[in-house]
Amino acid sequence: EVQLVESGGGLVQPGGSLRLSCAASGFTFSSYAMNWVRQAPGKGLQWVGYISARSTTIYDADSVKGRFTISRDNAKNSLYLQMNSLRDEDTAVYYCAREPNRSGGSGFDFWGLGTLVTVSS
Amino acid sequence: SYELTQPPSVSVSPGQTASITCSGDKLGNQYACWYQQKPGQSPVVVISQDNKRPSGIPERFSGSNSGNTATLTINGTQAMDEADYYCQAWDSSTVVFGGGTKLTVL
Repeated sequence: EVQLVESGGGLVQPGGSLRLSCAASGFTFSSYAMNWVRQAPGKGLQWVGYISARSTTIYDADSVKGRFTISRDNAKNSLYLQMNSLRDEDTAVYYCAREPNRSGGSGFDFWGLGTLVTVSS
Repeated sequence: SYELTQPPSVSVSPGQTASITCSGDKLGNQYACWYQQKPGQSPVVVISQDNKRPSGIPERFSGSNSGNTATLTINGTQAMDEADYYCQAWDSSTVVFGGGTKLTVL
């Protein structure tokens, strides 16, 4: 069974840092691209970033560029999101999501349950 | 930046057909996907590659994408289909989501 479990969320002050993790199981993690998607309270989905299966390609949204870094460790079946210089508007539930085939339009076929990040003083 | 536009809300009677549109410049030139999200739950893909239903998604869900508009159609809408629906596409090196449509079944 495919499972994605996010962790690392919590309360952080503006300007602070946080590192989110996404533990994958039930599939060959190293064969899949991954994404981070967030959702502010009561709002829609917002894409944060993408990392290819072997980390050769990384994209991130303009809203987090220069502040957030996506990485992965295929040996540990884990995806990460390092978040620095956090702002109030980064408050959201952060999901990791698997993407089988970007060019083939597969979409994000499995999502974790999410972890809540709250940026507040 | 690229934008996908959805109606904020759509209402449908049980058993009727619901259509949710997603508009974007030349959207038909790329693949569109659709996600269903119920309160307190993670999104679930209901349509990928414009019109493919993933395993486990009921046949009443279908999709199309042409020109500037992708459409999610739910035939014989059921109460359990009440949810928020989001379209999604890649634009070059960016993933774009539509603003979401709240489907009400009443």
